[in-house]
Amino acid sequence: KAGVTQTPRYLIKTRGQQVTLSCSPISGHRSVSWYQQTPGQGLQFLFEYFSETQRNKGNFPGRFSGRQFSNSRSEMNVSTLELGDSALYLCASSLGGTGSDYGYTFGSGTRLTVV
Amino acid sequence: GNSVTQMEGPVTLSEEAFLTINCTYTATGYPSLFWYVQYPGEGLQLLLKATKADDKGSNKGFEATYRKETTSFHLEKGSVQVSDSAVYFCALSVPYNTDKLIFGTGTRLQVFP
Repeated sequence: KAGVTQTPRYLIKTRGQQVTLSCSPISGHRSVSWYQQTPGQGLQFLFEYFSETQRNKGNFPGRFSGRQFSNSRSEMNVSTLELGDSALYLCASSLGGTGSDYGYTFGSGTRLTVV
Repeated sequence: GNSVTQMEGPVTLSEEAFLTINCTYTATGYPSLFWYVQYPGEGLQLLLKATKADDKGSNKGFEATYRKETTSFHLEKGSVQVSDSAVYFCALSVPYNTDKLIFGTGTRLQVFP
């Protein structure tokens, strides 16, 4: 059974550029969540998609956006990159529904470096 | 609001020592509780979980008991190995609420032979 796949693993971008990260969840999982991990702020929730709809959103500026496709694959986009956006971006998939006791399976992450 | 507090690290132990990593939480409603582990250069792996009071989650020799009266979910292992060296995150989510995971700051464990 394939796990959660995130691409690319590493990315270097310049300030002001935009970037798109991809996440393929476990087959059958309908919920995809995104988290940002930095040494200073730890793990912070970005947003969650369920059946192509954004269900929850964290406290991040509008430069951070996402979407989910009909096959549950998800992308997140960051526009006008800032140095502070350098982080490990983690995607987590879950069966979803209205309860969260299923647990979440994380991908290996995309390491974004903004220079 | 919902939050998780973990003990500061790093925790440094010799192989075969007993491990405790403290975790307490604040939550509205009835949260599910999780421990995740992150090895260097990798994502998070679910270590164990508990979904209601007095439940004990266990995996790979690690255990944690959901204590509603003390709002705690401390991680324990009787005999650690060098391969257990990693960062451990306590987390909660509140079903039928936002469903997002709220993490503690993480505790780095270093085990020496």
